[in-house]
Amino acid sequence: NAGVMQNPRHLVRRRGQEARLRCSPMKGHSHVYWYRQLPEEGLKFMVYLQKENIIDESGMPKERFSAEFPKEGPSILRIQQVVRGDSAAYFCASSVQRGQRSTDTQYFGPGTRLTVL
Amino acid sequence: KQEVTQIPAALSVPEGENLVLNCSFTDSAIYNLQWFRQDPGKGLTSLLLIQSSQREQTSGRLNASLDKSSGRSTLYIAASQPGDSATYLCAVRGADGLTFGKGTHLIIQP
Repeated sequence: NAGVMQNPRHLVRRRGQEARLRCSPMKGHSHVYWYRQLPEEGLKFMVYLQKENIIDESGMPKERFSAEFPKEGPSILRIQQVVRGDSAAYFCASSVQRGQRSTDTQYFGPGTRLTVL
Repeated sequence: KQEVTQIPAALSVPEGENLVLNCSFTDSAIYNLQWFRQDPGKGLTSLLLIQSSQREQTSGRLNASLDKSSGRSTLYIAASQPGDSATYLCAVRGADGLTFGKGTHLIIQP
């Protein structure tokens, strides 16, 4: 059973470009979470999604950031018009049961390291 | 709002020593507490999960304790090895989800 997969592992963008980060949850998991880790900071929750639904996006910036988890395919975290401050590691996690308030374990992917030039 | 603090931020010890990493949190209304390991360029590996009703969990050379009322947890690593070198993250699960500390960067000197 493959773990949580994220791609690309490294992504370089120039200011103003778009960044698309993909996350494939573990087999059988229908709940996905995105976290951001800024340099020298802890992981911060961004958004929690189930298939075709955004459940909690309280940690996601209101502008330029969006997330989706379609019925088929991976979850996508999209950052439009990237700025240098978006440079960070973005981690995806998945779980079996319903999420943020659940005691169910979240399994983390290897992360995507975004660098904005 | 939950805040998680980890002390020390960095630690370097000779191989073979026993060591303790500390984690404190401000809101004691948690469901569980989890310790992760993060290696450079890699994802998070869950080490131990302590439910709010538990006092400690053990796995091999690792022992984690939880004192929910005082908002503290410790991760004890016995007989440290160079392979233990990594960043150790503490995270608490509460009503607003997982909140992480900034981590302790641990180096075990051969």
